[in-house]
Amino acid sequence: AQSVAQPEDQVNVAEGNPLTVKCTYSVSGNPYLFWYVQYPNRGLQFLLKYITGDNLVKGSYGFEAEFNKSQTSFHLKKPSALVSDSALYFCAVRPPEGTGGFKTIFGAGTRLFVKA
Amino acid sequence: GAGVSQSPSNKVTEKGKDVELRCDPISGHTALYWYRQRLGQGLEFLIYFQGNSAPDKSGLPSDRFSAERTGESVSTLTIQRTQQEDSAVYLCASSQPSPRTDTQYFGPGTRLTVL
Repeated sequence: AQSVAQPEDQVNVAEGNPLTVKCTYSVSGNPYLFWYVQYPNRGLQFLLKYITGDNLVKGSYGFEAEFNKSQTSFHLKKPSALVSDSALYFCAVRPPEGTGGFKTIFGAGTRLFVKA
Repeated sequence: GAGVSQSPSNKVTEKGKDVELRCDPISGHTALYWYRQRLGQGLEFLIYFQGNSAPDKSGLPSDRFSAERTGESVSTLTIQRTQQEDSAVYLCASSQPSPRTDTQYFGPGTRLTVL
């Protein structure tokens, strides 16, 4: 069965330090991978996606993610965290072409706290 | 243009009552998704519409849940005989064609509380 795991419920980091939010997936074939962010009292917003090509994907607000097929991971990273990055982050996977259906599977979310 | 809108923003109902939630997608977006987000949990896929194709209902948790969409416009999610476990935020998202690769744009959600 297809699944997405975000092993950390919460990540704490000091402002200015690099941050990593982890995501691993279990999907046969070549998946499409996404990161979304949910700020307090706001809707989910798209951050970045991996479809094909370069394994390092750059997205909004200085975030990037690296697709690692051998480790089936798609960790979200940022070189220097801001207090305003504090939010709930969701990793998501969509089935590859030809598998049928459009069911997007979301991870449980990781809450990021950035301290000043 | 405007983003995805949902109404109502909050709904409190009594167990056993029916509720109807509305989603207005972004104009021109042919794909529309409904998700459920229980407190402290991730998003749970419910249903997907793409143009005039048959919807993907594989995520609907029971026959009390149904959804409709006319063409590429408004969608309504109906929950009949609500139960307390239906309490959650219901999120709607829309995207342009080729939904496998295109970004989903989410509405603010409807917070449903079943007493």
